[in-house]
Amino acid sequence: GAVVSQHPSWVICKSGTSVKIECRSLDFQATTMFWYRQFPKQSLMLMATSNEGSKATYEQGVEKDKFLINHASLTLSTLTVTSAHPEDSSFYICSAREHWGVNTGELFFGEGSRLTVL
Amino acid sequence: RKEVEQDPGPFNVPEGATVAFNCTYSNSASQSFFWYRQDCRKEPKLLMSVYSSGNEDGRFTAQLNRASQYISLLIRDSKLSDSATYLCVVTGDSSYKLIFGSGTRLLVRP
Repeated sequence: GAVVSQHPSWVICKSGTSVKIECRSLDFQATTMFWYRQFPKQSLMLMATSNEGSKATYEQGVEKDKFLINHASLTLSTLTVTSAHPEDSSFYICSAREHWGVNTGELFFGEGSRLTVL
Repeated sequence: RKEVEQDPGPFNVPEGATVAFNCTYSNSASQSFFWYRQDCRKEPKLLMSVYSSGNEDGRFTAQLNRASQYISLLIRDSKLSDSATYLCVVTGDSSYKLIFGSGTRLLVRP
């Protein structure tokens, strides 16, 4: 099946620094990728939809200037957490869909990136 | 009210037991429904889609009741390897947008 790779798996950074997370679709083209965040014992929350060649669509309450998304190619989307703070510590997961449309296409997830901000 | 609600559990069952999870969703416009499985500190993986007619995949059976906005997952003959968190997932206002429940944790003991 389709594979989505996410890097890095773990990252620890100091408060105030920026962290970039990469999400790659390895064997298919993904015009749309999704970024989720999951806090312990909570559900995955969609942060934004990343569209290749255009601006990302952010969910309500997600700061677009803090969570920068770039989807420059059909196989790569990046999420940059700018000026990270301890409350940004979370599990960030990207996903991509191989086919577009209702009831079509499984959503494939990257392995996730666990961010810890000290 | 949450868009997708699940009993967090944990459900602690012996090997071989049958266990059922329920899920309710609030958006009557939702069109697609799924069960995902998530192991501890791992990404979610699709377990099965849920169709109006109900569907079965080996030991797993999923049911959808649109009138009651209710989804269920039945696991028969539980294995130790079934221990995980099961996420109920529905599409939102847009077909591509998935709304995740917070998950039901299953622990299968020897």
